[in-house]
Amino acid sequence: DAGITQSPRHKVTETGTPVTLRCHQTENHRYMYWYRQDPGHGLRLIHYSYGVKDTDKGEVSDGYSVSRSKTEDFLLTLESATSSQTSVYFCAISESWEGNTEAFFGQGTRLTVV
Amino acid sequence: SQKIEQNSEALNIQEGKTATLTCNYTNYSPAYLQWYRQDPGRGPVFLLLIRENEKEKRKERLKVTFDTTLKQSLFHITASQPADSATYLCALGSQGNLIFGKGTKLSVKP
Repeated sequence: DAGITQSPRHKVTETGTPVTLRCHQTENHRYMYWYRQDPGHGLRLIHYSYGVKDTDKGEVSDGYSVSRSKTEDFLLTLESATSSQTSVYFCAISESWEGNTEAFFGQGTRLTVV
Repeated sequence: SQKIEQNSEALNIQEGKTATLTCNYTNYSPAYLQWYRQDPGRGPVFLLLIRENEKEKRKERLKVTFDTTLKQSLFHITASQPADSATYLCALGSQGNLIFGKGTKLSVKP
């Protein structure tokens, strides 16, 4: 498996609380992505990063923020969690943004907002 | 708007048969198309990548075609086995990110 680790793997939190998910890679890949996966919607891109301190929004970015202060770490923050953010979150990494290299995925974080 | 559609949510086939999964896209002009496999409770795993100038790509029992005129990719698994049961996702690179279809859940019955 590629060196990509997500933490925590499972989390239950209350509505209105802040939550931060961490993605750590040891592959030195430039591009990092956060997706959420929900039944009926598939994988949807939340935010992505193309370098340290360089990030951009994806399809479903509302309510989420990200930071990348080091190549190896990409953090996803839910400033004030809502029940609609209950989902499975996946981090991914790739060497290229053009789609000409494979993406490697973490094991996922199952987040439940109650 | 841009769309990626995988026509079937689920596909059930008999062991030994060929499974064919479809991925259609609109309002994209991708140079590359990828296919992934996802097992329950796990992240997607890369299977194959095909370039726009390649009509077909093979890897063991897997075959992918890419028709940029039809805006379609077909994913074939020959001599299917119960172990091939999983969800299969197609993905396109677009403007700096990787966009996925919703996936097709393949079930191979013994």
